[in-house]
Amino acid sequence: DGGITQSPKYLFRKEGQNVTLSCEQNLNHDAMYWYRQDPGQGLRLIYYSQIVNDFQKGDIAEGYSVSREKKESFPLTVTSAQKNPTAFYLCASIDRNSNQPQHFGDGTRLSIL
Amino acid sequence: AQTVTQSQPEMSVQEAETVTLSCTYDTSESDYYLFWYKQPPSRQMILVIRQEAYKQQNATENRFSVNFQKAAKSFSLKISDSQLGDAAMYFCAYRTNRDDKIIFGKGTRLHILP
Repeated sequence: DGGITQSPKYLFRKEGQNVTLSCEQNLNHDAMYWYRQDPGQGLRLIYYSQIVNDFQKGDIAEGYSVSREKKESFPLTVTSAQKNPTAFYLCASIDRNSNQPQHFGDGTRLSIL
Repeated sequence: AQTVTQSQPEMSVQEAETVTLSCTYDTSESDYYLFWYKQPPSRQMILVIRQEAYKQQNATENRFSVNFQKAAKSFSLKISDSQLGDAAMYFCAYRTNRDDKIIFGKGTRLHILP
């Protein structure tokens, strides 16, 4: 079955370290997204990418970076510049040429040690 | 910039009763989609219902229906015959066709009282 795989499920980071969250999809979707979820804040858009080698900042991009070298992969790096990285991170994708909703991964919970 | 507002952080409804969750959005676009997602404690995101902006008819999926008021930029979700399994966070989402940006509201936590 096609879907989105996020790994790892739980991730711990020491202060001052960069960490990369993986997101892979085998749905052949063009567009991919990263969201951050905090209690009471809903899902906030970090970055999204409509096509390979292109991406746009969302509403809370500061302290994060992404790459889109392959259609199926959209990794998110949480840099040391992100002062409050503890959160639940969700990756999603869509087929840009349809009205279908987003497919979501199961998420990664990032915590600071 | 587009925004999505859910003004009810929490709501409660008696089992078998009907409840309506509110959502308003702000956009200058004319071509877009609206969605309601359910997120149970497992944190899995589950699509409840979707609406194309160009369609005047309100979408319906079994016990779930929407009241889409395009001029008022309102997109409320009605859940009929509420069941214990409906207890979850509900998120309203907006997608523009112009640049595929998809944004969410802050969510409404729905409690079902037995």
